[in-house]
Amino acid sequence: GDSVTQMEGPVTLSEEAFLTINCTYTATGYPSLFWYVQYPGEGLQLLLKATKADDKGSNKGFEATYRKETTSFHLEKGSVQVSDSAVYFCALAQGAQKLVFGQGTRLTINP
Amino acid sequence: DAGITQSPRHKVTETGTPVTLRCHQTENHRYMYWYRQDPGHGLRLIHYSYGVKDTDKGEVSDGYSVSRSKTEDFLLTLESATSSQTSVYFCAISVTGGPTSGANVLTFGAGSRLTVL
Repeated sequence: GDSVTQMEGPVTLSEEAFLTINCTYTATGYPSLFWYVQYPGEGLQLLLKATKADDKGSNKGFEATYRKETTSFHLEKGSVQVSDSAVYFCALAQGAQKLVFGQGTRLTINP
Repeated sequence: DAGITQSPRHKVTETGTPVTLRCHQTENHRYMYWYRQDPGHGLRLIHYSYGVKDTDKGEVSDGYSVSRSKTEDFLLTLESATSSQTSVYFCAISVTGGPTSGANVLTFGAGSRLTVL
């Protein structure tokens, strides 16, 4: 079945560092891809999405490009802030409204 | 905020007891979901609903049942709780189009933390 694999965490960076969180997927067909973020004590929120190959999703300085050839959707940000500390989930969906999530990557940004 | 309320937010119970978690939405969305979140597993789908009295199983449905008698409420029941069901449970609603939509955006509740002793 469909699956999503994220880089192992936790990830700790200093403020203003460059961030990459890797995400690869396995799916039949052409899924939509998502990044969700979970701040402490809260539910997940959609961060960005891409619905077809070569699409780039972006929001709050974060970006991810749908790469069909490498089945990847890596999350990047050029300069992270302490407020970006959270757990990040990569996910895919195709049909029937069912999202499949990766295991999550905990990000901590130190001032 | 998409108007999703989960209750209770925290519950401690003993093995073998029944537990019901409630998800209430205020925006009349058709699709609702129950996920559980466990370390190293991300979120896994338990059950989902595509309308009143219309529900289906997700990938980890064993030991759980659901009911949806009204559009706004989606109940998750553990008939006889076990320690393996200790988890954080999230309800979600779909705020985009129907099954063929390519951009399935979910909005999540704040979660219900269940501890089974």
